Amino acid sequence: DTAVSQTPKYLVTQMGNDKSIKCEQNLGHDTMYWYKQDSKKFLKIMFSYNNKELIINETVPNRFSPKSPDKAHLNLHINSLELGDSAVYFCASSRDSGRAPYEQYFGPGTRLTVT
Amino acid sequence: GEDVEQSLFLSVREGDSSVINCTYTDSSSTYLYWYKQEPGAGLQLLTYIFSNMDMKQDQRLTVLLNKKDKHLSLRIADTQTGDSAIYFCAEVPPGRRALTFGSGTRLQVQP
Repeated sequence: DTAVSQTPKYLVTQMGNDKSIKCEQNLGHDTMYWYKQDSKKFLKIMFSYNNKELIINETVPNRFSPKSPDKAHLNLHINSLELGDSAVYFCASSRDSGRAPYEQYFGPGTRLTVT
Repeated sequence: GEDVEQSLFLSVREGDSSVINCTYTDSSSTYLYWYKQEPGAGLQLLTYIFSNMDMKQDQRLTVLLNKKDKHLSLRIADTQTGDSAIYFCAEVPPGRRALTFGSGTRLQVQP
């Protein structure tokens, strides 16, 4: 059983399109995250939800909108895709973001390519 | 990450020890982490250390923490080809509630 799963694994789309990435965790965790990994492998937090409430919203263009329908799911919708959005997007989850040691479990990633 | 620095590349021979270094800037970070990323895969938590510890050992992995110098290292004993991956150190600065990652060290193990 996959602990943190993401769909799709690969996404190739054209500039200007709108796309969504989905994430699900079956670990019973309270907190979920979206990270972006660029072509140089640099990883940065984008968003975090705790019990469906947005708790981290980094400096990310408002074309990116996360949605958490329930504790087990966190989706990422991206409007008007740009070339610079090409990256690998990782979903992660943890038991409670307010308490250390913040052991985060990562999904396999979604490689987004914008042409 | 601009706050957490790592060397980019390390090459070792199979059977040797590998030491991956990391320098972090926020001395208030309570826990420091090491993650492993294999090609085309997500990140796997290898180990973490509490800031009041100097050392933590877990099988072939040894984590050393020098809090005064804000230096963290990961030693892998008897390195195997399956250890080839990118290794990230990370911290959670107080009040952040998310990981701040280093730039990653690519470990290449030569047979």
